[in-house]
Amino acid sequence: GAGVSQTPSNKVTEKGKYVELRCDPISGHTALYWYRQSLGQGPEFLIYFQGTGAADDSGLPNDRFFAVRPEGSVSTLKIQRTERGDSAVYLCASSLVQGKETQYFGPGTRLLVL
Amino acid sequence: SQQGEEDPQALSIQEGENATMNCSYKTSINNLQWYRQNSGRGLVHLILIRSNEREKHSGRLRVTLDTSKKSSSLLITASRAADTASYFCATGNTGFQKLVFGTGTRLLVSP
Repeated sequence: GAGVSQTPSNKVTEKGKYVELRCDPISGHTALYWYRQSLGQGPEFLIYFQGTGAADDSGLPNDRFFAVRPEGSVSTLKIQRTERGDSAVYLCASSLVQGKETQYFGPGTRLLVL
Repeated sequence: SQQGEEDPQALSIQEGENATMNCSYKTSINNLQWYRQNSGRGLVHLILIRSNEREKHSGRLRVTLDTSKKSSSLLITASRAADTASYFCATGNTGFQKLVFGTGTRLLVSP
């Protein structure tokens, strides 16, 4: 079946602009996660959704970052007033239910802020 | 912040040789998982080992876990050029499984 999909694959924007990154999880997966990976580093947790609600957003770096999952499926990560330091690969993952250990990752969105 | 570190940071071997990567972590865990990443994009789940397990096998992969030393190792036997990738360990705690990744090992397998 289809895996986790993310759009766009690449996004180039200018400093100060607003961007939205989309994640479409595996059908039927109730848990959804966002991670951010900087060059040469491992992914770092941003936020986790169980259903429609954000169960843990402790990884969001500041209030410029926000994520939603209004219908419990597709999620959008929103970044306001982008900064050059936001440049990274943003990864989305989903898992079947809460506490189901295996997370399935999408291909990521590579964000470049000029 | 990263939970731990993989060692070595980079490993270069010939096809057919075995590759061993180590992972150290800092806090108590429920499980530890290994992922592979090609070309800096999506991660592929390889294997999960629980905190009450000491060794696990999957095909050419062998994972060990030593909770007293807070360390794990991933062994890839009879490596192939297609195994060239970055390998990450990730720890999960009881609950909703927020994964905390290490810094990764870049493996290069030459034909």
